[in-house]
This record gives sequence, C-alpha cells and structure tokens, in this order.
Amino acid sequence: GQQVQQSPASLVLQEGENAELQCNFSTSLNSMQWFYQRPGGSLVSLFYNPSGTKHSGRLTSTTVIKERRSSLHISSSQTTDSGTYLCALDPNNNAGAKLTFGGGTRLTVRP
Amino acid sequence: EAAVTQSPRNKVAVTGGKVTLSCNQTNNHNNMYWYRQDTGHGLRLIHYSYGAGSTEKGDIPDGYKASRPSQENFSLILELATPSQTSVYFCASGGDWGIYEQYFGPGTRLTVL
Repeated sequence: GQQVQQSPASLVLQEGENAELQCNFSTSLNSMQWFYQRPGGSLVSLFYNPSGTKHSGRLTSTTVIKERRSSLHISSSQTTDSGTYLCALDPNNNAGAKLTFGGGTRLTVRP
Repeated sequence: EAAVTQSPRNKVAVTGGKVTLSCNQTNNHNNMYWYRQDTGHGLRLIHYSYGAGSTEKGDIPDGYKASRPSQENFSLILELATPSQTSVYFCASGGDWGIYEQYFGPGTRLTVL
C-alpha cells in the first residue's frame, strides 16, 4: 500500500483563514520534508523536520513519529500561499537516502 | 542553500531519439537524484547516485540510464525516447550522514513527439 498519504487532496480558503495539512505514513522514517510547488514550478523546501515542531514565519511543521504523522499549519493564509504542498519521507528501511512523496494538497486561497 | 541547476529547461525530442538531461549542483552533496512528475502519479524516483562513479536504480528506471562523472554533475539519458517519457524531470541533491534534506532544481519539461 501507499507509504505516504496526504489530506485533504484539495483545500479552498478565504484569505486570512488558517489551514492544517496532514501527512500520514505507514513506516518508520529517517527524515520528513515538506515542499511547496507553484503550478509549473519547482519544489521549494519548507521544512526538514524528522521529529518535533519547527516554525518559519506563518508556517509550522509538527512531526510525531509514534503516531506516524506530520502536519503543516499555515496561519493567516494569503493568496500567494496558493499552490501544492507535498510531504516526503525517507523510510528507515536501509535502502539508502531516498524520498517517497505523498500525493500533495492543492491549496487555493481566495481574496 | 544548495544550488541545483538543470539544462535544458525545455526539450522537444522525436520518438527513438537520444535525449540527455543534465544536472549540476554546487553544494558538494554526495547524493543526487532524478525524478519525474506526472499528473496522477506525483513524483517518482528514476535513478540516484551516492557519489562520483555510482548510479543506482530508483523505482521506475526502465528506459533510462544515468551517469555521475563527478561530484557536481549527474545526467539522465534516454537512449530511445518514447512518448510515454513526456514529463517534467527534476534533479535533486541531498546530504547524507544523518541529514537527508534534498534540494531540487528548476525542472526540465520534456516532450517526446
């Protein structure tokens, strides 16, 4: 089965609202990374967060290994936050440092 | 932050032709990766490398070869391009020794006619 599941698949917000994006995984991990991607764009690393909580401006990432989940919280959303958010993990399976990606959450923030 | 560049940024190829996609990174990372991104399939790993001279098969290696002639450069080679290889290709570099963060290049949009 799929090792990395993201939810929701899509989300529409009004500007100023908060968002909580989820990433659930079925394996132990070496690393967890969150990326942002604009349509037609590259992947921008938001967080490298294998465990615990990290903050960056309006973004917060929390990874709870025991519960096999990671979340990305966006506060006070802006129209420029629109795009796709991807989580990816490197499974702790002795198969080398390789990322397995979730399907992404497509976020639309309306003015 | 690691700088990863790719060339070309856009490429149109004919079926059966040879295509080489190039990637360069300037952060002295040991690990480099090639992914493709397709609607409905997300990002999938094609080949990767742990250092100069090494290449490893990823999850979808069929129809692709890779070459890592130096620490900085990693190429993806399509010997006989097919329309099913039309996609956006991303190169990434990443560290090792316990910190596995990856940094991505801008992508190459390949169309095989």
